[in-house]
Amino acid sequence: DAGVTQSPTHLIKTRGQQVTLRCSPKSGHDTVSWYQQALGQGPQFIFQYYEEEERQRGNFPDRFSGHQFPNYSSELNVNALLLGDSALYLCASSPLTSGRGADTQYFGPGTRLTVL
Amino acid sequence: QKEVEQNSGPLSVPEGAIASLNCTYSDRGSQSFFWYRQYSGKSPELIMFIYSNGDKEDGRFTAQLNKASQYVSLLIRDSQPSDSATYLCAVRGTGNQFYFGTGTSLTVIP
Repeated sequence: DAGVTQSPTHLIKTRGQQVTLRCSPKSGHDTVSWYQQALGQGPQFIFQYYEEEERQRGNFPDRFSGHQFPNYSSELNVNALLLGDSALYLCASSPLTSGRGADTQYFGPGTRLTVL
Repeated sequence: QKEVEQNSGPLSVPEGAIASLNCTYSDRGSQSFFWYRQYSGKSPELIMFIYSNGDKEDGRFTAQLNKASQYVSLLIRDSQPSDSATYLCAVRGTGNQFYFGTGTSLTVIP
């Protein structure tokens, strides 16, 4: 059973550039959430996708956008990169359909983004 | 006030002892509570989830929830050096968003 996968593993960009990160959810999961984790901090919720729509959004600017595809995979796009965007970007998937445990999230290995 | 608060530690316990990790949350309507373990440089790994008041045990781990006090804890019995990691408390709030604490760093000393 494949878990959550993310690509790329590491990425180095310069200020002002744009970046796209990718995520494939765990088998049987249809909901994908994205998080930003700065060094020494807990993950911060960016947004959640379900049925190809953004369902929830955290306190992140519009520079952060996403997409979910019919196969439930997802992309996170960040425009006009700032130095402060350097972080570990985590994708988490969950079934979120019904029942106990349906909101349990499983994380992928993350993408380490460095903005120079 | 942060939605989820944890003591950042570091917390050190000798091998074989009980490690106690604590977490408080601000959204009284929260219904789902999670503990994750995160090794340095790795992504969070789910340890346990709990929904009801009381204790939930899974092997050496026990999660405790007190909704009246808005308090969640994780006990690790017979702590092992491999338990050394950062432990993240997560809460699903009434708006369905997930909020994480900053984590408690645990070191188990052989």
